[in-house]
Amino acid sequence: EDQVTQSPEALRLQEGESSSLNCSYTVSGLRGLFWYRQDPGKGPEFLFTLYSAGEEKEKERLKATLTKKESFLHITAPKPEDSATYLCAVGGSSNTGKLIFGQGTTLQVKP
Amino acid sequence: NAGVTQTPKFQVLKTGQSMTLQCAQDMNHNSMYWYRQDPGMGLRLIYYSASEGTTDKGEVPNGYNVSRLNKREFSLRLESAAPSQTSVYFCASSGGWAGELFFGEGSRLTVL
Repeated sequence: EDQVTQSPEALRLQEGESSSLNCSYTVSGLRGLFWYRQDPGKGPEFLFTLYSAGEEKEKERLKATLTKKESFLHITAPKPEDSATYLCAVGGSSNTGKLIFGQGTTLQVKP
Repeated sequence: NAGVTQTPKFQVLKTGQSMTLQCAQDMNHNSMYWYRQDPGMGLRLIYYSASEGTTDKGEVPNGYNVSRLNKREFSLRLESAAPSQTSVYFCASSGGWAGELFFGEGSRLTVL
């Protein structure tokens, strides 16, 4: 059964304090790993797609990496506007057309 | 560009009442999805439609029905609402394979 686990559940950082969010997954035939950002009261917003181990994607202060078992979302010198819930999802060959989402990591960045 | 529009944004129902959540997208996407989001449970797929004229069950389809009215619109119906269906419902669409989804802002449903 495809499964996604994110850690930690919540993370508090001071502005400028870099850290990483973890997404561990098990999936049959990974077709893609996806990161989303969700602000309170809003729908998730797509950030990145990673397809194979070793791949990296960057966007502003965010960098996503992928291994065969997990993905990391590295946040460098975060700002208060980076505060949000970050969701990880995987798509596998046995679940064509469907994504399995993790429970998310809620990030709070204090000024 | 509106993207994905959901109505209503908020709804309170009594147990046993029925209602339909409406979703429309203006991005000419083939695939549309209905998810529910509950604290500690993450996003769970209820139903999806890979293309106009087709619908398939997701992880948690019981108690729901869907209609893909045309390429733009995908509705979710609760025939007899139960308190366990209290949740935030998100509609999403994608142009290709499921990964890059565009979500609406959600419909917050409370069943008393």
